Amino acid sequence: AQKVTQAQTEISVVEKEDVTLDCVYETRDTTYYLFWYKQPPSGELVFLIRRNSFDEQNEISGRYSWNFQKSTSSFNFTITASQVVDSAVYFCALSEAWSGGGADGLTFGKGTHLIIQP
Amino acid sequence: NAGVTQTPKFRVLKTGQSMTLLCAQDMNHEYMYWYRQDPGMGLRLIHYSVGEGTTAKGEVPDGYNVSRLKKQNFLLGLESAAPSQTSVYFCASSYALSGTGEQYFGPGTRLTVT
Repeated sequence: AQKVTQAQTEISVVEKEDVTLDCVYETRDTTYYLFWYKQPPSGELVFLIRRNSFDEQNEISGRYSWNFQKSTSSFNFTITASQVVDSAVYFCALSEAWSGGGADGLTFGKGTHLIIQP
Repeated sequence: NAGVTQTPKFRVLKTGQSMTLLCAQDMNHEYMYWYRQDPGMGLRLIHYSVGEGTTAKGEVPDGYNVSRLKKQNFLLGLESAAPSQTSVYFCASSYALSGTGEQYFGPGTRLTVT
């Protein structure tokens, strides 16, 4: 069965510090997809990134970057020069490729609450 | 283009009452999902649908029923609400299976069962 572990329940840093959110996943499939979502205090879920299992290139989007390492089954998320607006709960999620008989949908980690102090 | 909308936004039920949560999407997506979010638990899949007229169970389906009579709507029903169903419910839709396509989430429905 697939599983996503976000071991950091809460992280608090001072503004402008860099911060990395960890995500470790388990899956038996060779084809799968990994996601990060942001949930700000307002409650909505904001899509950040999707990565398939065949693409191990790191990705950078502004102050955000993602490090995908299949060897350690990790998909970590780094925010550079954090800002107060980055304060939110961040979820890592996993989806296995459709096999014709398995359940669809995303498997989420429990989330990491990131607090950026001014 | 409203994306994914959910009705109602908030609801308080007494134990044993029933209600239906409505999810609507205007993106012509085939796939729709219902999740629940509990403190410290992340989101868990309740039911999903891969097309009009079809539904399937997710990870935590007990106590819920769903229907997808129209492509744009996905209804989640609670026949006899229990306090354990107090949660925030999110609906999502996608143009492709959950891995290959981004899931678009609604704003959520906060349900309290007393």
